[in-house]
Amino acid sequence: EVQVVESGGALVQPGGSLRLTCEAFGFTLSRNYMTWVRQAPGKGLEWVSVIFVGGGTYYADSVKDRFTISRDTYKDTMYLQMNSLRADDTAVYYCARSPQYCGSVSCLDYWGQGTPVTVSS
Amino acid sequence: QSVLTQPPSLSAAPGQKVTISCSGSSSNIESNYVSWYHQLPGTAPKLLIYDNNKRPSGIPDRFSGSKSGTSATLGITGLHTGDEADYYCATWDDSLSAVVFGGGTKLTVL
Repeated sequence: EVQVVESGGALVQPGGSLRLTCEAFGFTLSRNYMTWVRQAPGKGLEWVSVIFVGGGTYYADSVKDRFTISRDTYKDTMYLQMNSLRADDTAVYYCARSPQYCGSVSCLDYWGQGTPVTVSS
Repeated sequence: QSVLTQPPSLSAAPGQKVTISCSGSSSNIESNYVSWYHQLPGTAPKLLIYDNNKRPSGIPDRFSGSKSGTSATLGITGLHTGDEADYYCATWDDSLSAVVFGGGTKLTVL
């Protein structure tokens, strides 16, 4: 069964760092585009970052130079390293898969349950 | 302010049809495929439509998607209370080199 599972969310102080993890089950993570999307409390969906099959990465302007997406091919795991965290980074963070059958990286067929990140002093 | 514009809310009666619009520009909707999602409270989003008008396995044909120029539309027929959710459009934006989401539409079935 295809599944993605996020972990690592926590309460962190402004300026702090956190690393989120997304584990893939039932498929090979490195053969798919993998994406992080977040949702602030009571708000809509906000795309954060994507890592392509070839390893290329893109980021939303709001997190560029602060967040880094990466993956471990052998562990079928993706990461989101978040530095210089701010209050407006508070959100539930989802990882999601963009499958090979889709024509766009905006197509996300499997989502995790989300992991909450709270940035507050 | 979202790059893609959706109506904040819509309502319709059970059994009726509703369309949700998503307006963008030449750098996003016009030149890339559009996806649609719905999200029930407290749950992860679920893919309804991809590549403008394709349905993933398990999504009923009550849901349809279309695109024309810089706009896309999600159609839902035979509404029932289980369709009450937030609906989002999404696509790639060539100028931003990013995926962009619409602000979301809250659908009420009453």
